[in-house]
Amino acid sequence: QKEVEQDPGPLSVPEGAIVSLNCTYSNSAFQYFMWYRQYSRKGPELLMYTYSSGNKEDGRFTAQVDKSSKYISLFIRDSQPSDSATYLCAMSVIKAAGNKLTFGGGTRVLVKP
Amino acid sequence: GAVVSQHPSWVICKSGTSVKIECRSLDFQATTMFWYRQFPKQSLMLMATSNEGSKATYEQGVEKDKFLINHASLTLSTLTVTSAHPEDSSFYICSAAPPALYNEQFFGPGTRLTVL
Repeated sequence: QKEVEQDPGPLSVPEGAIVSLNCTYSNSAFQYFMWYRQYSRKGPELLMYTYSSGNKEDGRFTAQVDKSSKYISLFIRDSQPSDSATYLCAMSVIKAAGNKLTFGGGTRVLVKP
Repeated sequence: GAVVSQHPSWVICKSGTSVKIECRSLDFQATTMFWYRQFPKQSLMLMATSNEGSKATYEQGVEKDKFLINHASLTLSTLTVTSAHPEDSSFYICSAAPPALYNEQFFGPGTRLTVL
């Protein structure tokens, strides 16, 4: 069993819809959670970073963490065709500079105009 | 800020040759850099952690003699794929971790390696 599970998709939604992404994890020691966006043939770009249970909002993006269920989510409101990409969740056990991350497999999202 | 560059962006080489990929943090110093490999439609696979001035730490199953990593300065790490074979063809991505930010990594644009 992988430490971090993520549905590979593809997830296809019409423009303007809410995109809902999630990851589950098995290691209860994970404390820090990140969401990255990766366009085809490009490096990942950090979208959200959170370290506590609850919601964190940044523009059209909302990250949600439920440590009791070992479940994290990312919601994208008012989705745009430019949001079409692969979204990767990543997690870390300790709070340290230069600490390695454990990634989910990524979910491919397609927003249709 | 937090820009990481990689060079080259793509490279084609013959089997048996060596290829060097550079990773640079352009506007910050990175004591730690990471090297990942990514196959099509798959997630990132961490190959090694590179710390400035010391030997790299390789993940299980990654051949350190095949994938040579050098982190000679706070802004530059290099990955050399030695005696490359077609199965080494992949997308190689580096990331850099600023010392003042916990857990955050900033990724380069990646290098696509094709070995003929």
